[in-house]
Amino acid sequence: EDQVTQSPEALRLQEGESSSLNCSYTVSGLRGLFWYRQDPGKGPEFLFTLYSAGEEKEKERLKATLTKKESFLHITAPKPEDSATYLCAVQEASGSARQLTFGSGTQLTVLP
Amino acid sequence: NAGVTQTPKFQVLKTGQSMTLQCAQDMNHEYMSWYRQDPGMGLRLIHYSVGAGITDQGEVPNGYNVSRSTTEDFPLRLLSAAPSQTSVYFCASSYSTAGNTIYFGEGSWLTVV
Repeated sequence: EDQVTQSPEALRLQEGESSSLNCSYTVSGLRGLFWYRQDPGKGPEFLFTLYSAGEEKEKERLKATLTKKESFLHITAPKPEDSATYLCAVQEASGSARQLTFGSGTQLTVLP
Repeated sequence: NAGVTQTPKFQVLKTGQSMTLQCAQDMNHEYMSWYRQDPGMGLRLIHYSVGAGITDQGEVPNGYNVSRSTTEDFPLRLLSAAPSQTSVYFCASSYSTAGNTIYFGEGSWLTVV
């Protein structure tokens, strides 16, 4: 059974204070690892997909990396508008499976 | 381009009532799915569809019914609402090939009293 664990559950940062969010996963075969951002009262907003160990992707102050057991979402010099819940999900590489298994998320608060 | 549209945004039901959550996408996506989100549990898959006329169960299908008569629409039916179905429901869609980005709607907040 696929499992996804995100840590920490909550993180408070000062504006400009860089940090990383962790997503560890157990899956028989990984087709893709997805990062989403979710604002209160909204649906998950797609950020990145990583497909293989060693892959990295960047978008503004965010950089996602992937190893065979975990992914990190690095936030460099965050701003208050980066405050949100960040969700990690895996898609298993079995047959035509497309469904995502999600972690519980990391709630990030960036203080001005 | 509206993306994935869900209605209603908010709904209160009495135990035993039935209702349908609507989901429509305008991206010509073959794959559509329904998730529910509960505090501390992450998003869990209810039902999904890989194309018109084809549906299958996800992780938590009990108490829910779906159909897919068109590519665009994927309604979720609650047959006899229970308080345990109080949750936030998200519809999602993507192109058929696995590994493609899955896009989510804005959510439907359902309370069953």
